[in-house]
Amino acid sequence: KQEVTQIPAALSVPEGENLVLNCSFTDSAIYNLQWFRQDPGKGLTSLLLIQSSQREQTSGRLNASLDKSSGRSTLYIAASQPGDSATYLCAYEPTGTASKLTFGTGTRLQVTL
Amino acid sequence: NAGVTQTPKFQVLKTGQSMTLQCAQDMNHEYMSWYRQDPGMGLRLIHYSVGAGITDQGEVPNGYNVSRSTTEDFPLRLLSAAPSQTSVYFCASSSSAGGDGYTFGSGTRLTVV
Repeated sequence: KQEVTQIPAALSVPEGENLVLNCSFTDSAIYNLQWFRQDPGKGLTSLLLIQSSQREQTSGRLNASLDKSSGRSTLYIAASQPGDSATYLCAYEPTGTASKLTFGTGTRLQVTL
Repeated sequence: NAGVTQTPKFQVLKTGQSMTLQCAQDMNHEYMSWYRQDPGMGLRLIHYSVGAGITDQGEVPNGYNVSRSTTEDFPLRLLSAAPSQTSVYFCASSSSAGGDGYTFGSGTRLTVV
């Protein structure tokens, strides 16, 4: 069974810190990997999408990388802010399995003042 | 842009009742899917569709039916609600080209008593 592990499960940091969230997966045949943000009681907001031919994507203070050979993706958040507090989910779409995402259980991030 | 619209946002059912969760997208996406989110278990795929008239089962399909008569709509039917179906349900869509990743609706919070 395909599995996605996100470490750490929870993280609390002071404002201004740079941080890294980790996502590891057992399947190397990846079509897309996507990072989402989920605020309490809300839906999923897409942050970054990395296609299989890419190694990283950047948007503002966020950078996501993908290493298929080692089965890992990282989400780097620079200069964290209290507004970054949320749960971050990674999910991948295996090659040849259209319309099916496999999710990790998420990292719950709290950025304190 | 409406994106993916889910209705209702909240619903309480009695055990044995049936209901339909609605999902509509206005992005002309071929792929649509339903997930449920439970504490500690992440998001799990219920059913998915790669185009109008085509549906298939995901990881946890029991107790749910779907149909895809149009590109825009992908309703999820609970045949006879059970307390184990208490969850938050998310609908998602994506293009078959894969370039934009998945877009999620805001979710339906269902309680079965």
